[in-house]
Amino acid sequence: QQQVKQSPQSLIVQKGGISIINCAYENTAFDYFPWYQQFPGKGPALLIAIRPDVSEKKEGRFTISFNKSAKQFSLHIMDSQPGDSATYFCAASNNAGNMLTFGGGTRLMVKP
Amino acid sequence: NAGVTQTPKFQVLKTGQSMTLQCAQDMNHEYMSWYRQDPGMGLRLIHYSVGAGITDQGEVPNGYNVSRSTTEDFPLRLLSAAPSQTSVYFCASGGVRDSYGYTFGSGTRLTVV
Repeated sequence: QQQVKQSPQSLIVQKGGISIINCAYENTAFDYFPWYQQFPGKGPALLIAIRPDVSEKKEGRFTISFNKSAKQFSLHIMDSQPGDSATYFCAASNNAGNMLTFGGGTRLMVKP
Repeated sequence: NAGVTQTPKFQVLKTGQSMTLQCAQDMNHEYMSWYRQDPGMGLRLIHYSVGAGITDQGEVPNGYNVSRSTTEDFPLRLLSAAPSQTSVYFCASGGVRDSYGYTFGSGTRLTVV
């Protein structure tokens, strides 16, 4: 049972454009929603995270939008750059924070 | 700043062999986890630990054992390797101090032939 569904699987964006990746979850006990960025041959690295008490969190060019009633959250990358080309994973965990459930990943390519 | 250190980086095993993947963290994190990453399937949790002496199963635990005798170390043991265990394995650690933001190691690429 896939508890976190991520879309699209792949995404091509022009430099300067907006990249949008969506995730939906099923478990209402989840209350921590991080996004990870992974470059080839490397481990995932925490990019930005949100808790359900806020609807949006912004860090630089990266923004998480959260819709608790719809059980959906998304990552927006503004002014996308070729250096942003990577695989992005959304994840979710319960309030104990000891088990992260990951989405299937989105491979982003930003064309110069 | 070592963070999370995994060894080895690459390993080839024959079916039926056993081995241990090592993981060590120097951030005094309470939580440690093992994930496997397969194409198109994201990262799947194998086992996790919330502290020394405490471990539990994740989504795909069969064929793997773990133990946590110290806060720093969390080795993953493959009991009898099978081709289905060919994957990239990641260890991660996290804790309350870092608001549960997990730090991942650089991974071990395992091939079972």
